[in-house]
Amino acid sequence: KAGVTQTPRYLIKTRGQQVTLSCSPISGHRSVSWYQQTPGQGLQFLFEYFSETQRNKGNFPGRFSGRQFSNSRSEMNVSTLELGDSALYLCASSFSGTGGGDTQYFGPGTRLTVL
Amino acid sequence: GEDVEQSLFLSVREGDSSVINCTYTDSSSTYLYWYKQEPGAGLQLLTYIFSNMDMKQDQRLTVLLNKKDKHLSLRIADTQTGDSAIYFCAEIGGLTGGGNKLTFGTGTQLKVEL
Repeated sequence: KAGVTQTPRYLIKTRGQQVTLSCSPISGHRSVSWYQQTPGQGLQFLFEYFSETQRNKGNFPGRFSGRQFSNSRSEMNVSTLELGDSALYLCASSFSGTGGGDTQYFGPGTRLTVL
Repeated sequence: GEDVEQSLFLSVREGDSSVINCTYTDSSSTYLYWYKQEPGAGLQLLTYIFSNMDMKQDQRLTVLLNKKDKHLSLRIADTQTGDSAIYFCAEIGGLTGGGNKLTFGTGTQLKVEL
């Protein structure tokens, strides 16, 4: 079974631009979560989608948004990019997103650099 | 809010055992996880433990949980150079409405020397 895939793997943008990242979950998984990883803040939860609905949201500004499609693929969008948005963005999928033993499997991440 | 802490660095010799420690504050944590991250890669799930368990063993990995002290440890037996990576502990607590939200520790960089 294929793992979680994320595209693109690397992105370079300039301040003020916007960016869209894509995540394809493991087949059959309906929950997709997004995390931001930076050297200063570590791994932080952005949001989670389940059945095309945002179920949980972390403490990020409204510039960060996402959506999930009927095939469970998810995209996240960051508008008006800031230098501090440079990070590794990780996507994780799980079967039902009930937490606990419903394990989250991570993709390789998208490395975003904002110049 | 939830907080998870780990020591930043651990160095061991190949063949020795490694013990990586983690403390957490969320008393409602139901599951606790260990993930491994190699350079340039995503997170690889190593193992997890349910909060009503004290210990879980999985091949070279042993997880110990002291729920009273909110302390979690990961022991890697016979540590190999391929085990060099950053190890994250993470917890998932009770969320209203269900769902996933992992709170991660700061990560422990494990260096295995010959």
